Amino acid sequence: SQQGEEDPQALSIQEGENATMNCSYKTSINNLQWYRQNSGRGLVHLILIRSNEREKHSGRLRVTLDTSKKSSSLLITASRAADTASYFCATRRGGADGLTFGKGTHLIIQP
Amino acid sequence: DAGVIQSPRHEVTEMGQEVTLRCKPISGHNSLFWYRQTMMRGLELLIYFNNNVPIDDSGMPEDRFSAKMPNASFSTLKIQPSEPRDSAVYFCASSLALGQSYNEQFFGPGTRLTVL
Repeated sequence: SQQGEEDPQALSIQEGENATMNCSYKTSINNLQWYRQNSGRGLVHLILIRSNEREKHSGRLRVTLDTSKKSSSLLITASRAADTASYFCATRRGGADGLTFGKGTHLIIQP
Repeated sequence: DAGVIQSPRHEVTEMGQEVTLRCKPISGHNSLFWYRQTMMRGLELLIYFNNNVPIDDSGMPEDRFSAKMPNASFSTLKIQPSEPRDSAVYFCASSLALGQSYNEQFFGPGTRLTVL
């Protein structure tokens, strides 16, 4: 079964606005990662947050993690047309384990 | 660095045929992962290797699927015999795992498999 569940499944906003996507998971994790996938392409790693971290920033990205609620959010500020893609959260139980992905949020940035 | 290399990029085959997907991980990475992506099931981990040794193959759907990693620079995922429901995009990813240090996974471009 899918560990992560992203919310919403689809999001359409105007260029320049902020986009927020949420992810919930079920079991304890070692870390949580966010990936982006452009149509027909592979996945690109965006940001990793460890289970003992609560917030992390990378450029226009801000990720939060609430382990008590088993949830995470990804905020993209000042969105651009190039941000149009599917965004996935993925959890890792530990060490060299594989990732368990959610079904993704499809983000569309309207120019 | 060329990144993770997968071949072929597209494969169309007929039901019952053997299919072999190939992956070359990033040089120096010691972990390799095979994933499958479909509209219905999303991204699923099939199997992963650490230092060329299969660690967890619980995601491999059936005995028709097998994976090998004969050396640090090459892995194959084989489906024999293939079925239409195996149609999907198969991704290979690699990362550098150091004990409990967790690093990002780098994904290849994927192989789009269509079984007729």
